[in-house]
Amino acid sequence: NAGVTQTPKFQVLKTGQSMTLQCAQDMNHEYMSWYRQDPGMGLRLIHYSVGAGITDQGEVPNGYNVSRSTTEDFPLRLLSAAPSQTSVYFCASSYGQALSYEQYFGPGTRLTVT
Amino acid sequence: RKEVEQDPGPFNVPEGATVAFNCTYSNSASQSFFWYRQDCRKEPKLLMSVYSSGNEDGRFTAQLNRASQYISLLIRDSKLSDSATYLCVVGNYGGATNKLIFGTGTLLAVQP
Repeated sequence: NAGVTQTPKFQVLKTGQSMTLQCAQDMNHEYMSWYRQDPGMGLRLIHYSVGAGITDQGEVPNGYNVSRSTTEDFPLRLLSAAPSQTSVYFCASSYGQALSYEQYFGPGTRLTVT
Repeated sequence: RKEVEQDPGPFNVPEGATVAFNCTYSNSASQSFFWYRQDCRKEPKLLMSVYSSGNEDGRFTAQLNRASQYISLLIRDSKLSDSATYLCVVGNYGGATNKLIFGTGTLLAVQP
């Protein structure tokens, strides 16, 4: 199993550009989520999905969109990049919706917006 | 007040030492508790779940004190490979969103 994969590993964007961060998992997990990690702050939830076709907002959803057309894939779209979105982005998946399950994280995407 | 608070460290300890980290959480209704480990520039990985009765996994012992709302992690006989950031994570159920709250992490550096 590859686990959770993310592409790209690194990305530099100019302010106003849009892009999609890809996330895929091969563990047949129903629950997937996107986090951002900034210095001095814990990981913060951006969006999450409890199954194909179902998504919801997390703590910091503004400026981001998601969709979940398949169990495996959960892309994160930046609509119009801003310097405040410079961060490390982690995708995670888990077996169930309940928060008792281990979260499996992808390797992360380091995004810089200039 | 942050929902989950940790001492950021760094904790610099020699190999073989015992080190303890504490974490406090603000929501008394929190129902799940974890320690994750994050190596430099890598993704977090689950170290262990924390149960009310306390639990041990080799050199690692986790304890939960619900009355005082804190979680601890004890590492015995520290190894160089234990050097990492340790994230305290709390799960809050109910309301509009069930979510995991991550602490900012405690940095451990084990010295030879």
